[in-house]
Amino acid sequence: QKEVEQNSGPLSVPEGAIASLNCTYSDRGSQSFFWYRQYSGKSPELIMSIYSNGDKEDGRFTAQLNKASQYVSLLIRDSQPSDSATYLCAVWKYSGGGADGLTFGKGTHLIIQP
Amino acid sequence: DTAVSQTPKYLVTQMGNDKSIKCEQNLGHDTMYWYKQDSKKFLKIMFSYNNKELIINETVPNRFSPKSPDKAHLNLHINSLELGDSAVYFCASSQKQGTMNTEAFFGQGTRLTVV
Repeated sequence: QKEVEQNSGPLSVPEGAIASLNCTYSDRGSQSFFWYRQYSGKSPELIMSIYSNGDKEDGRFTAQLNKASQYVSLLIRDSQPSDSATYLCAVWKYSGGGADGLTFGKGTHLIIQP
Repeated sequence: DTAVSQTPKYLVTQMGNDKSIKCEQNLGHDTMYWYKQDSKKFLKIMFSYNNKELIINETVPNRFSPKSPDKAHLNLHINSLELGDSAVYFCASSQKQGTMNTEAFFGQGTRLTVV
């Protein structure tokens, strides 16, 4: 089982609609969860962080966390063409034999259609 | 002010050469990282360095070595470069708070091409 899984897409959403991005993770002990946005040729940019069950809203973005289901999602309201990018779900990993750092999913490519 | 900066942005070199990528952060973070993003855009951690403790991902060849002169810098040295090392390398930093990590911030990346 992959540690952080995302649908690679592309996910195509009309401008003004809600884009819904999903992510599941395998390590039940994970405590910190993040969504990054990456434009082609650029570095990952932090969009949202969430640490406890429930919803967290920031502007047009809402992150949702359900630790029992090991599920994280990102909703983007009023989608704009500038939201078109790859969205990376990331989870902190703590392990004895490996690097202590963020484990990323492979990303979902989001396209907002004007 | 750039929070996490790395140089160079592009690096083209021949197989067998040795090269270095520099990284500096001005966020006051106590942990720095190197990530590799391959041609399929998958980001994978290579190293984390916290308070003189280095944690190495077991899949990283020993031709790669991080060097930290101080808390604000973590440079990446690569010996005997191979074609498969071609990728984008990202430096990042974060702050540990108790048992949890805060957000990680990334540098602009170094696109390494080995020919």
